[in-house]
Amino acid sequence: QVQLQESGPGLVRPSGTLSLTCAVSGGSISSNNWWSWVRQPPGKGLEWIGEINHSGITNYNPTLKSRLTMSLDKSKNQFSLKLSSVTAADTAVYYCARDISILATMGSLSDAFDVWGQGKMVSVSS
Amino acid sequence: DIQMTQSPSSLSASVGDRVSITCRASQSIRSYLNWYQQKPGKAPKLLIYDASSLQSGVPSRFSGSGSGTDFTLTISSLQPEDFATYYCQQSYSALRGFGQGTRLEIK
Repeated sequence: QVQLQESGPGLVRPSGTLSLTCAVSGGSISSNNWWSWVRQPPGKGLEWIGEINHSGITNYNPTLKSRLTMSLDKSKNQFSLKLSSVTAADTAVYYCARDISILATMGSLSDAFDVWGQGKMVSVSS
Repeated sequence: DIQMTQSPSSLSASVGDRVSITCRASQSIRSYLNWYQQKPGKAPKLLIYDASSLQSGVPSRFSGSGSGTDFTLTISSLQPEDFATYYCQQSYSALRGFGQGTRLEIK
């Protein structure tokens, strides 16, 4: 049973860099999945941030791409997010999630976020 | 980018009611559409993947339908634990995206 756990500072200064890590347990980060980040500002909906696969290939939300870096640490079985030049608009609960290919009807593969971390609240404030 | 639009944004219903939530994609996404349930203070939970496949452990009162650009999540008989916010999400594009959410409230 794969489990995910986010960690990192809960407070970041404006113009600073938000750094979060997601520890993977019960499975290997080297498995053929994508590892994603999703955020949710207080009282608002879900926003996909980006994801990284076991080979280190990344896909980023175009609106965040210029400020975003994702990486893997296979020795620690974890993946990380760095978001630079943060403002108050980056205040949110940050979730990590596994984006897995699931065998669907008609024998096709379909991708979905099937495992989520509990979420980490990060506030951007001076 | 593919835009996902849900309707309604909020919905009031009673226990035992049948309710439907719709999701429209800005272009065809075939059947690459997932539905999630989120309760306050909790992470989202996968309910339906590939438009109509029920995730393991999810009650059969939840069902999904649709393909192309128009999709529907239906709850056949609302239970007290179903009052939550529901999100659709497309997995057709490598640039994933969510609908804005539908809040299901008790009438």
